[in-house]
Amino acid sequence: SQQGEEDPQALSIQEGENATMNCSYKTSINNLQWYRQNSGRGLVHLILIRSNEREKHSGRLRVTLDTSKKSSSLLITASRAADTASYFCATTGFQKLVFGTGTRLLVSP
Amino acid sequence: GAVVSQHPSRVICKSGTSVKIECRSLDFQATTMFWYRQFPKQSLMLMATSNEGSKATYEQGVEKDKFLINHASLTLSTLTVTSAHPEDSSFYICSARVGPNNEQFFGPGTRLTVL
Repeated sequence: SQQGEEDPQALSIQEGENATMNCSYKTSINNLQWYRQNSGRGLVHLILIRSNEREKHSGRLRVTLDTSKKSSSLLITASRAADTASYFCATTGFQKLVFGTGTRLLVSP
Repeated sequence: GAVVSQHPSRVICKSGTSVKIECRSLDFQATTMFWYRQFPKQSLMLMATSNEGSKATYEQGVEKDKFLINHASLTLSTLTVTSAHPEDSSFYICSARVGPNNEQFFGPGTRLTVL
């Protein structure tokens, strides 16, 4: 299976704290994407980082990519209760997205 | 961003019936759409790639006769779960690919419950 792994599987923090999620993958990639999924809903695209990029920012999100270690991290700064969701990384291989196992983030007020 | 819709959002059916799920790209044309299924608290697993005007490409282990896919136009792909059984109960999500970076926009999902 090409499916990546994410850790932690679950993360509970307080509002205002930062949340860091990690993703590891197995094969060479063209790019890596992060998605958010609220419970029972579809996925929302958060950010895409190309294989030749090392870091990318979007609002309160910061994504890093280390292709030598085949890993990526997603940092959410100053978290809010509305950030409560599952977060998935996805890599592009053979024109298809392969999703990681996901991190369930709970942000308490 | 691009908008993808799914219909219905939720369906409950009896075992043995067939269920059709529609996936539409609302403001763009999608030559390629994807169908995923997701079990509770698990990740998305790709079922098949749907190409407009041609047969779908199924992932290993997915029965093509069980999960019929038709991509009849550039804005519509349908997934029909034939002779549904309780083990087919799941969350089915479609997506449409846009642009050169394989960015995908996802529908809101369809919750299928087979009694």
